[in-house]
Amino acid sequence: NAGVTQTPKFQVLKTGQSMTLQCAQDMNHEYMSWYRQDPGMGLRLIHYSVGAGITDQGEVPNGYNVSRSTTEDFPLRLLSAAPSQTSVYFCASSYSPGQNEQYFGPGTRLTVT
Amino acid sequence: GDSVTQMEGPVTLSEEAFLTINCTYTATGYPSLFWYVQYPGEGLQLLLKATKADDKGSNKGFEATYRKETTSFHLEKGSVQVSDSAVYFCALSPFGNEKLTFGTGTRLTIIP
Repeated sequence: NAGVTQTPKFQVLKTGQSMTLQCAQDMNHEYMSWYRQDPGMGLRLIHYSVGAGITDQGEVPNGYNVSRSTTEDFPLRLLSAAPSQTSVYFCASSYSPGQNEQYFGPGTRLTVT
Repeated sequence: GDSVTQMEGPVTLSEEAFLTINCTYTATGYPSLFWYVQYPGEGLQLLLKATKADDKGSNKGFEATYRKETTSFHLEKGSVQVSDSAVYFCALSPFGNEKLTFGTGTRLTIIP
């Protein structure tokens, strides 16, 4: 059981470039989400999904797109990177909505210059 | 909207000292409350949780009690170890909903 995996671990982008942060889980979890972690601000929810084919916006969705074509994968797309998107990104999953534990991936550190 | 306020850090303690990290929340209804821990270079891990008023969550010597009257969920440990050095996040989740709202995190450093 690999849990929640994220790739890449580190990425440097130039302003305006696009990229996709990958997230996968092998626990058959229905719920998946993306957070960004910034100094002094804790983690903030970007997008989430309650199952394949269903996504919704979190607290800070602007500049990010997501899709959920399979239960296992939940990629996060940056269409035109901006320096304000420099952050550490965490993917998380849990078995179902409710008071269940969320399992976090190891994170992707993104720098936009 | 929902919010979590936790103690500003960083906090530095000597080994075997008593630890308290304060956390208060604002939410409608009856949220579930969580403490997550992030060790250096890793993702977050659930440390403990409580789902209703007066519940006490506990794990690895850490405890926190869900106090509805004071809207608080303070984290405590009687005797900290160097291995407890990490960043601790208080969080809440509305009933029946997974969306977590996090506090800003408290960095804890334990010195031998």
